[in-house]
Amino acid sequence: DAGVIQSPRHEVTEMGQEVTLRCKPISGHNSLFWYRQTMMRGLELLIYFNNNVPIDDSGMPEDRFSAKMPNASFSTLKIQPSEPRDSAVYFCASSPVGSNTEAFFGQGTRLTVV
Amino acid sequence: AQKVTQAQTEISVVEKEDVTLDCVYETRDTTYYLFWYKQPPSGELVFLIRRNSFDEQNEISGRYSWNFQKSTSSFNFTITASQVVDSAVYFCALLIKAAGNKLTFGGGTRVLVKP
Repeated sequence: DAGVIQSPRHEVTEMGQEVTLRCKPISGHNSLFWYRQTMMRGLELLIYFNNNVPIDDSGMPEDRFSAKMPNASFSTLKIQPSEPRDSAVYFCASSPVGSNTEAFFGQGTRLTVV
Repeated sequence: AQKVTQAQTEISVVEKEDVTLDCVYETRDTTYYLFWYKQPPSGELVFLIRRNSFDEQNEISGRYSWNFQKSTSSFNFTITASQVVDSAVYFCALLIKAAGNKLTFGGGTRVLVKP
C-alpha cells in the first residue's frame, strides 16, 4: 500500500484565496483525521471522520475551515478565505477499525499564506 | 480532559550516548493508549510504538526501549547508543478509548545527535 497520500505537498497562496488540501487514506481504513502543526500550538486535531461521517470537529478553528469526506477514499480540507495565520503543516492520517490502533500519517501539506 | 507533557524541548547528545525522553500524561480514564512518533527532518510522522493502559510491561526494540509506569503516569523512551540518524523530533501521544480515535500529542522533544 502506498500509505496516506496528501496533495499538494506545498502550497503558497495569497491572503483571501481559497485553499483546498486533499487526502487519500489507506485502503480499508475507516477513520480519517486532519491535524495541523505549528510552532506555537504543536500538533492539534482539527477534525476526524469515522466511516465518512464527521465525529468531532471541535478543533476546527473557525468557519473559514471546512472538511468533507464524500467517500471512503477521499477527503478535503478547505480554507476560505485563507489568512497568514493559517500557515502551517497540515497532516492527514488514517487508522483501521477500533481505537487501539495507531494512526498512519501522510507526509503533510506545507501551507504558506502570504 | 487529557493532556500530554514533554518537558524537554530539546536534547543534544554526542553519538553513542544514551538519551531518555520523558513523557507524562494526564487522564481520568482507565482505558487508554500511549504512542510514540518520530518526526525526522523530512517532516513525516513515523509510528514507533503503542501501549495500552493494562500492559505495563516494558518493551525493547533494537536500540529503542520504553518504560511505562502507571503509578507516575509516565511513558518514557530511551535511545541506546544514539546515532546521527536518530536526530528528529519525538512526540508522545495519548488516545482515550471513550473519546474516540483522536490522539492528543505532547509538544515534542527535539533530539540532536552530533557525530
